[in-house]
Amino acid sequence: QKEVEQNSGPLSVPEGAIASLNCTYSDRGSQSFFWYRQYSGKSPELIMFIYSNGDKEDGRFTAQLNKASQYVSLLIRDSQPSDSATYLCAVNRDSGAGSYQLTFGKGTKLSVIP
Amino acid sequence: DAGITQSPRHKVTETGTPVTLRCHQTENHRYMYWYRQDPGHGLRLIHYSYGVKDTDKGEVSDGYSVSRSKTEDFLLTLESATSSQTSVYFCATKLGQAQYEQYFGPGTRLTVT
Repeated sequence: QKEVEQNSGPLSVPEGAIASLNCTYSDRGSQSFFWYRQYSGKSPELIMFIYSNGDKEDGRFTAQLNKASQYVSLLIRDSQPSDSATYLCAVNRDSGAGSYQLTFGKGTKLSVIP
Repeated sequence: DAGITQSPRHKVTETGTPVTLRCHQTENHRYMYWYRQDPGHGLRLIHYSYGVKDTDKGEVSDGYSVSRSKTEDFLLTLESATSSQTSVYFCATKLGQAQYEQYFGPGTRLTVT
């Protein structure tokens, strides 16, 4: 059973701080990694994806990938109360047709305190 | 996202009745997916499609069937709904030039009484 693990939280950070969200995965063949944000009662919204080792930055968000350690993280700089949501980590399966299937973690709930 | 819609958005039905949920996309994309989301379980793949009349099972396919007769529509059917199928159902597809990224529809909240 291929798994994606996240701390369920809640993770509480003060406004303006850096929020760090972590995810580990069990399938060494995974090639693509995704972070979704989900507000209560809403659908998941893709905010970052990363395919190569290292860092990828987009505005206040940075995704970090370490395939050797099977670890992917999301950093949110200058956290805002509007960032309060559940963050889902997802990884694809191995190559071929499985590349188009995603396995999701159960999510980490982030609370940004004003 | 405007490129993918689901209907109905809310439904209450009785145990034993058939239910069909519809997902519609305007992107003409091959891949479409059905997920369910439950507290404590996260998002789980039910079925997916990689083209018209080409479908395959996901992690939690028991009790569900799907059909795809047109590229833009992917239907999820509960042949005989059970209370364990009370959930929020999300459809997903790819948009634009996405490679593996999936984008989700607004969801259908289904309650089986």
